[in-house]
Amino acid sequence: GQQLNQSPQSMFIQEGEDVSMNCTSSSIFNTWLWYKQDPGEGPVLLIALYKAGELTSNGRLTAQFGITRKDSFLNISASIPSDVGIYFCAGQRIQGAQKLVFGQGTRLTINP
Amino acid sequence: DTGVSQDPRHKITKRGQNVTFRCDPISEHNRLYWYRQTLGQGPEFLTYFQNEAQLEKSRLLSDRFSAERPKGSFSTLEIQRTEQGDSAMYLCASRDWGGQETQYFGPGTRLLVL
Repeated sequence: GQQLNQSPQSMFIQEGEDVSMNCTSSSIFNTWLWYKQDPGEGPVLLIALYKAGELTSNGRLTAQFGITRKDSFLNISASIPSDVGIYFCAGQRIQGAQKLVFGQGTRLTINP
Repeated sequence: DTGVSQDPRHKITKRGQNVTFRCDPISEHNRLYWYRQTLGQGPEFLTYFQNEAQLEKSRLLSDRFSAERPKGSFSTLEIQRTEQGDSAMYLCASRDWGGQETQYFGPGTRLLVL
């Protein structure tokens, strides 16, 4: 089963507000990834983090790889309507298949 | 550069029927993954191919499930004797060789078993 705890499960915000969500794990990952998924579509990669402590930005999105390698957060600044969707964190280990382990997702709803 | 494609996008079937899904990865990506996603959950790993070799399978992949990747290009996932519990989104992802390469997902095949 899934090993990542993602919070919050849902967020209801006003357009223009900043958003923060995070992901924790009981075990270490070598890579943290953040994906966004729209209804009926596959996850789309937003940000990839490869080193503990790394802080990476992609436009209005900023994500950090926790120093313990067991957590990560994603911030979205100045939210806009197209940010609506479900955000997933995913951890990847360096061994074996390097499969992704996902969190349960954060559903973001924006009131215009 | 075309992304990962999956076919069909939607499938409705009756319990007990067999279904087959296809995934075409990004060209030259030698690694291919299948995941299953149920409502309200994140995707869960099913199986992994490196070229044509199936190198890892999850406990979720019961003996009714079989996956192939002939010639190391497209892949198929077959479910035999479908059950209502098989209803889910089936996602395919591919990635290139290299330690820091990430996985890119297709649009998924949504299966509904009646």
